[in-house]
Amino acid sequence: DVKVTQSSRYLVKRTGEKVFLECVQDMDHENMFWYRQDPGLGLRLIYFSYDVKMKEKGDIPEGYSVSREKKERFSLILESASTNQTSMYLCASSLGGNQPQHFGDGTRLSIL
Amino acid sequence: QKEVEQDPGPLSVPEGAIVSLNCTYSNSAFQYFMWYRQYSRKGPELLMYTYSSGNKEDGRFTAQVDKSSKYISLFIRDSQPSDSATYLCAMRGALMEYGNKLVFGAGTILRVKS
Repeated sequence: DVKVTQSSRYLVKRTGEKVFLECVQDMDHENMFWYRQDPGLGLRLIYFSYDVKMKEKGDIPEGYSVSREKKERFSLILESASTNQTSMYLCASSLGGNQPQHFGDGTRLSIL
Repeated sequence: QKEVEQDPGPLSVPEGAIVSLNCTYSNSAFQYFMWYRQYSRKGPELLMYTYSSGNKEDGRFTAQVDKSSKYISLFIRDSQPSDSATYLCAMRGALMEYGNKLVFGAGTILRVKS
């Protein structure tokens, strides 16, 4: 079974802080993704990566950056957290080609 | 207008009922269609993955794609209280044009009453 692990289930931070969300997959997947999920808006893609040290912007990249130094790990960084970044953050990975994405259990982030 | 429309529900049914969940979409280039199930405080779990039009069955679940109508459905037979969750549809176009980028519906909340 595919295992996508997000380091924190719940996180509370203050505005202006730099926040790191970590995601690790154990299936040697090529692709990794970061989404945020908000009520009524569904899942929106923030950033994704097709390979180590490679990243591409999704639909809502503003205020975020990412890092992929190793194939199994994909980090999402909030450079200066703001209250409108309070959300559920979901990481996903896929093998590549036409293979489907598999998700972690999410990090519920609150910015106060 | 959203690219993918999905009735948010909640949809409440008695145990044993047949459930029909639906999504409509506007982009005729979509070729790959997925259904995910998401329990409260968990991540989405892949249920069904289909390519192009037609039906796919897996146990009590049947996914149906009608590309001519831009309409996809998920049927759940003999629904159980454990099926209570949010169901997300997702889709994307050809890899060369769209990459692995998925477009999601907002999700339908399903409640199965015992």
